[in-house]
Amino acid sequence: AQSVSQHNHHVILSEAASLELGCNYSYGGTVNLFWYVQYPGQHLQLLLKYFSGDPLVKGIKGFEAEFIKSKFSFNLRKPSVQWSDTAEYFCAVTSPYNNNDMRFGAGTRLTVKP
Amino acid sequence: EAQVTQNPRYLITVTGKKLTVTCSQNMNHEYMSWYRQDPGLGLRQIYYSMNVEVTDKGDVPEGYKVSRKEKRNFPLILESPSPNQTSLYFCASSLQAWTGELFFGEGSRLTVL
Repeated sequence: AQSVSQHNHHVILSEAASLELGCNYSYGGTVNLFWYVQYPGQHLQLLLKYFSGDPLVKGIKGFEAEFIKSKFSFNLRKPSVQWSDTAEYFCAVTSPYNNNDMRFGAGTRLTVKP
Repeated sequence: EAQVTQNPRYLITVTGKKLTVTCSQNMNHEYMSWYRQDPGLGLRQIYYSMNVEVTDKGDVPEGYKVSRKEKRNFPLILESPSPNQTSLYFCASSLQAWTGELFFGEGSRLTVL
């Protein structure tokens, strides 16, 4: 079955530390990849997306993600986190060949200590 | 302002009492979807709609119904709620399904006693 895996359930970092959150998917073929963020008490918002082209994509608030096709991965990175980055982060995948198949990972909770 | 509006935001109800969670979007989006969010499970799709009068089951449709009579509205109906439907529900929409750029509502926290 097609799935999205986020390996880290809860990550705790100090401010200014670097961040990398893992995301792997099991789809074959062409995929669209997304990271969404959910700040405490709020709804999900799109952080960044990848459809095609440069596998290193930049999103809002200094986040970036790298698509590595051979590893079926789309890891999220930020060089220096801030306390305001405390949130839950969700990786998501769609396939143009299966229009309805928008699948989310289980999410990674990030806590940034001031 | 472009938005997805859900109501109610919070609801406590009892087993078996039918309820409807409304969802409305003002962006003329074709695609709408309902998710439930549970700790450790992320977001799971309940139902989705590619366009008016076109709906289909997601991963966890049991116990839910939907309708899409108008483009802007996509209500979620719980005919006979049970405690395992206690969850946080999100409605989302996007211009087209394959783009995946979902706009989410604020969420509806439902407790079934």
